[in-house]
Amino acid sequence: DVKVTQSSRYLVKRTGEKVFLECVQDMDHENMFWYRQDPGLGLRLIYFSYDVKMKEKGDIPEGYSVSREKKERFSLILESASTNQTSMYLCASHTPWGTGFYEQYFGPGTRLTVT
Amino acid sequence: AQRVTQPEKLLSVFKGAPVELKCNYSYSGSPELFWYVQYSRQRLQLLLRHISRESIKGFTADLNKGETSFHLKKPFAQEEDSAMYYCALSPLQGAQKLVFGQGTRLTINP
Repeated sequence: DVKVTQSSRYLVKRTGEKVFLECVQDMDHENMFWYRQDPGLGLRLIYFSYDVKMKEKGDIPEGYSVSREKKERFSLILESASTNQTSMYLCASHTPWGTGFYEQYFGPGTRLTVT
Repeated sequence: AQRVTQPEKLLSVFKGAPVELKCNYSYSGSPELFWYVQYSRQRLQLLLRHISRESIKGFTADLNKGETSFHLKKPFAQEEDSAMYYCALSPLQGAQKLVFGQGTRLTINP
């Protein structure tokens, strides 16, 4: 049973703070993703990583960076938090390519409030 | 450009009535399509995928390439079907990115 865990369920930060969101998966998946979930906008991809130290920008990367030093861990970094980054953040990992079994497994989410 | 559109933000039906959640997509190739669901206080999870041709919890979805649609249907809604539903598209190449629609919140009234 795949487990994707996120370090915090709720987080409150001040404008300008550096914020780290951590995600860990236990299925040895290569592909991991960070989304933000906003009402009426659905899920929007921030960044994804297809291997250790490999990353690519998603649709809304501005104001974010990521780190993937180990295969199981994918971190999202808000360099200087702003109020418009108040959102629900979801991490996901994906089953390996070529297995014919395509599914993304999601973490429980981190609700971030920037004041 | 890849895009998924769910035209209804909110959908409310009575228990026992049929349900249809609409999903339209735009993609130049042959995508794979999925429905994900998020029940209250639970994490987002896969409901069904087109490639499997499956029925999960009484839900089915048919890919109509002519209309570029992948609507989710259930003949008799149950109260436990109340949830947020997202349609998603994958190009089935590259890094397995998913493109999600805006989501539809389904409420089943008793």
